[in-house]
Amino acid sequence: EVQLVESGGGLVQPGRSLKLSCLASGFTFSNYGMNWIRQAPGKGLEWVASISSSSSYIYYADTVKGRFTISRDNAKNTLYLQMTSLRSEDTALYYCARYTTAFDYWGQGVMVTVSS
Amino acid sequence: DIVLTQSPALAVSLEQRATISCKTSQNVDNYGISYMHWYQQKPGQQPKLLIYEGSNLASGIPARFSGSGSGTDFTLTIDPVEADDIATYYCQQSKDYPRTFGGGTKLELK
Repeated sequence: EVQLVESGGGLVQPGRSLKLSCLASGFTFSNYGMNWIRQAPGKGLEWVASISSSSSYIYYADTVKGRFTISRDNAKNTLYLQMTSLRSEDTALYYCARYTTAFDYWGQGVMVTVSS
Repeated sequence: DIVLTQSPALAVSLEQRATISCKTSQNVDNYGISYMHWYQQKPGQQPKLLIYEGSNLASGIPARFSGSGSGTDFTLTIDPVEADDIATYYCQQSKDYPRTFGGGTKLELK
């Protein structure tokens, strides 16, 4: 069974940093591209970042480019999102999702709240 | 960026057909494949993939869900609607980066 479990969220002050993790199981992690997608409270879905299976290709939304860094450790079956210079508008539930041609499996999400 | 436009809400009766549309600002087809996907999200849950590449049913999804369309106009059909289908539905394109989602259509009971 495919499982994606996010962790690392919490309350953080504006301008500070936070690192999210997503532990994958039930599939060969190193064979799949992975993504972070977020959802602000009561709002729709916003794609944040993508990373290919071998980390060769990385893409970011303009809203996070230069502040967020997506990475992965295939030996640990773990996806990461390093978030710096956090803003109030980054407050959201952050999902990791496996990617084939679509986002076929999603984690339960981890909440990030940016507030003073 | 490719913009995806959905109606915010749709009211439907149980056992009737629901048709949810998604229009894109650019063609999302490439080499005969439509890079359009549909997701269902219930309150407090993560999104679930329903349809990929325009019309392919994802694993474990009931056959009352179907997808159609090409180019810039796509449709998700639920026929017949069951009570468990009350949720918000999102379309999403993977033709280009940035990946983009529609604003979501909330399916409500009439």
